[in-house]
Amino acid sequence: DTAVSQTPKYLVTQMGNDKSIKCEQNLGHDTMYWYKQDSKKFLKIMFSYNNKELIINETVPNRFSPKSPDKAHLNLHINSLELGDSAVYFCASSQKDRWGGYTFGSGTRLTVV
Amino acid sequence: DQQVKQNSPSLSVQEGRISILNCDYTNSMFDYFLWYKKYPAEGPTFLISISSIKDKNEDGRFTVFLNKSAKHLSLHIVPSQPGDSAVYFCAGANPNFGNEKLTFGTGTRLTIIP
Repeated sequence: DTAVSQTPKYLVTQMGNDKSIKCEQNLGHDTMYWYKQDSKKFLKIMFSYNNKELIINETVPNRFSPKSPDKAHLNLHINSLELGDSAVYFCASSQKDRWGGYTFGSGTRLTVV
Repeated sequence: DQQVKQNSPSLSVQEGRISILNCDYTNSMFDYFLWYKKYPAEGPTFLISISSIKDKNEDGRFTVFLNKSAKHLSLHIVPSQPGDSAVYFCAGANPNFGNEKLTFGTGTRLTIIP
């Protein structure tokens, strides 16, 4: 019974395509995040949503658009994929008033060719 | 601007000995520090944390030490076990800002030698 699940686990696509990554959490958390781990293994925040409201939007190209239909889901849509978008994308969730760090999903490895 | 630094990309320790992983930070607004452990093809999992009002937190074999004046923290694992072989990430946060953004280091790969 996975707490934070992401699909797909692997995604290989051509430059210029549009793709989506889905994330769902069943922990009842109210905050969800997208992090990107690049080739240098740096884990950097991209977005966070609290109760469907965008809270953090780091310096991310506007080709990346998060969507949170409800507080249990946070999807990431990427338009016009570029080679530099190749990375591992992690979804995570936390509960705002009970600080204790995040629960991460297992990641989506995106390869743009 | 790398606010959290883990200067040792890798560390090898014999089974049963102590593993010490180090982390330095530059952002004095960090109020909370966490260690995450990551196995290949999995997401990071929370290991242990420490608030800036403490200088030590212990949980079983894992102890985190915080030296605020030096802006340094360390994770001690004793005794080290083969299952501890993983990448360890240090992270800083300030939950009082109204969000819980974690700023991560680049990780240290720990290998426990049987």
